[in-house]
Amino acid sequence: DAGVIQSPRHEVTEMGQEVTLRCKPISGHDYLFWYRQTMMRGLELLIYFNNNVPIDDSGMPEDRFSAKMPNASFSTLKIQPSEPRDSAVYFCASSGGNEQFFGPGTRLTVL
Amino acid sequence: AQSVTQLGSHVSVSEGALVLLRCNYSSSVPPYLFWYVQYPNQGLQLLLKYTTGATLVKGINGFEAEFKKSETSFHLTKPSAHMSDAAEYFCAVSERGVGKSTFGDGTTLTVKP
Repeated sequence: DAGVIQSPRHEVTEMGQEVTLRCKPISGHDYLFWYRQTMMRGLELLIYFNNNVPIDDSGMPEDRFSAKMPNASFSTLKIQPSEPRDSAVYFCASSGGNEQFFGPGTRLTVL
Repeated sequence: AQSVTQLGSHVSVSEGALVLLRCNYSSSVPPYLFWYVQYPNQGLQLLLKYTTGATLVKGINGFEAEFKKSETSFHLTKPSAHMSDAAEYFCAVSERGVGKSTFGDGTTLTVKP
């Protein structure tokens, strides 16, 4: 099993640009989570899905952030427009209802 | 609602010394409890978990934790620290069968030679 796959691993963009982060969860897992991690705020849950349906998006910081899960094997987190304060490591994780399995993360830098 | 408190954001020990990372939780239902480790520039990975049964659970790399319901605690220990244990450690709690977990703020473990 390849584990949770995230792409890209690194993204550098300019303020105002659209950014799309991608995640492929572990096959058979019915939960998918998007987290953001920064030195200042630590690990924050942004949104999670159960069976491809968004369950709780209360952690999404503002309307510039959106997430989709069109099928059980793919999810995206989009930031439009991006701002320097969005710079962080974004993790995707999946779960079968017990522990979570994290991807390697996407390091986003917004200049 | 569930919550997790990790006492001490930074813990420093000497190589070979006991490692003790503290975690207290709050849950209105019987919890699942987890410890995760995060090495620099990596995602979190599961160290050990308590679901049901034996309250002393053993994990990878010689770590273990004991679920104490009366104290609402799930402290992580290792008898002898290695330099390779230097990392950030997260305690987490979830309801049984629900994939969502509530994470603590993390404890950074430093191991001195």
